[in-house]
Amino acid sequence: DTAVSQTPKYLVTQMGNDKSIKCEQNLGHDTMYWYKQDSKKFLKIMFSYNNKELIINETVPNRFSPKSPDKAHLNLHINSLELGDSAVYFCASSQDLREAGANVLTFGAGSRLTVL
Amino acid sequence: QQQVKQSPQSLIVQKGGISIINCAYENTAFDYFPWYQQFPGKGPALLIAIRPDVSEKKEGRFTISFNKSAKQFSLHIMDSQPGDSATYFCAAFREYGNKLVFGAGTILRVKS
Repeated sequence: DTAVSQTPKYLVTQMGNDKSIKCEQNLGHDTMYWYKQDSKKFLKIMFSYNNKELIINETVPNRFSPKSPDKAHLNLHINSLELGDSAVYFCASSQDLREAGANVLTFGAGSRLTVL
Repeated sequence: QQQVKQSPQSLIVQKGGISIINCAYENTAFDYFPWYQQFPGKGPALLIAIRPDVSEKKEGRFTISFNKSAKQFSLHIMDSQPGDSATYFCAAFREYGNKLVFGAGTILRVKS
């Protein structure tokens, strides 16, 4: 009964490849996010979607493309992978982005991407 | 540039001691300040949160102290236990821009 589930948990691939990470939430939340956690554990937002609409797009290379087929899913596709893309990618969801007190993010367990 | 500055980077505390993690921010538009706890191999999970109209919030052994004029807030873990060993992130939210901004994290180790 995982609230936010993402797959795969581990991904090892070569430079130049294209890969996807999938995320699903069963909390009924309207907003979903992708965060990147680097080797120093710094968490940085990449994207957020509210009801399938992109609302935050941080300065992320356009090799990264999020896709939200419905409000329960937010997938991350990465083209032409580079060494610097190695990190842990976290999917998260929240009920209402615009109300501060309600902005409780529920995170998935993370997907560790290693680019060789 | 880091909008929320967190210190220390790492902290070792004896079992039963008090763990203190500090955060500072610049943007006065922030109006919600949560703390997240992350165990190895897991995603961060909300621990406790405070709004700037309150100077202190306590939940069990965890207390947030908030100093609005100094733009600082801190997490105190009383009677620290080995099970508290984790990475702790402070964060700040502002409605404009609609995003939660995280501090750099503090790795806490509680020695038994």
